[in-house]
Amino acid sequence: DVVMTQSPLSLPVTVGQPASISCRSSQGLVHSDGNTYFNWLQQRPGQSPRRLIYKVSNRDSGVPDRFSGSGSGTDFTLKISRVEAEDVGVYYCMQGTDWPHTFGQGTKLEIK
Amino acid sequence: EVQLVESGGGLVQPGGSLRLSCAVSGFTFSRYWMSWVRQAPGKGPECVANIKEDGSQTYYVDSVKGRFTISRDNAKNSLYLQMNSLRAEDTALYYCGRSGLGVWGQGTTVTVSS
Repeated sequence: DVVMTQSPLSLPVTVGQPASISCRSSQGLVHSDGNTYFNWLQQRPGQSPRRLIYKVSNRDSGVPDRFSGSGSGTDFTLKISRVEAEDVGVYYCMQGTDWPHTFGQGTKLEIK
Repeated sequence: EVQLVESGGGLVQPGGSLRLSCAVSGFTFSRYWMSWVRQAPGKGPECVANIKEDGSQTYYVDSVKGRFTISRDNAKNSLYLQMNSLRAEDTALYYCGRSGLGVWGQGTTVTVSS
């Protein structure tokens, strides 16, 4: 199985400041169809997960533009340009290239 | 509005069975792969099973192979997960998700305990 490793696991951030989460996969995520099926998801307390970013860098509908995704190969990054209070929750990276689709351990973002 | 509504969860004894359902609306169900994803208390999500648009291909995580069966009825816009020989470690919130997990339901809770 593809192992997804996130860092940091805990991320205290001051409102208005930037934040960054890294994710490394144990193998490359380029599918045979040429796409890289790598997503970032947010799970606010008590809610279902919500996809923020798909195929590395594409924002889902309704996701604020302060969220951005980048990366290639085995190294990927989620950046929040200016953290807001509503961003509190756990962030997961996820690969959908190889079955079983696998998630990172999660990064808990909290407000300082 | 795109909606996924899961049902069928509950409390079951080890070795028992449950059938989860996911009712879909707001998009053309038959055009999408669908997934079941579970999340144990305090843990991250885990993809359990996947099914192709027409049901011709299915995939399972090793821990549920031979015990769980994913299926769909495109005429009824519904996804199912038949769970047999349930174990304590199957206890989780079970979500259905659309291809790529861009859309999730609210989940249904499965508790396996004596």
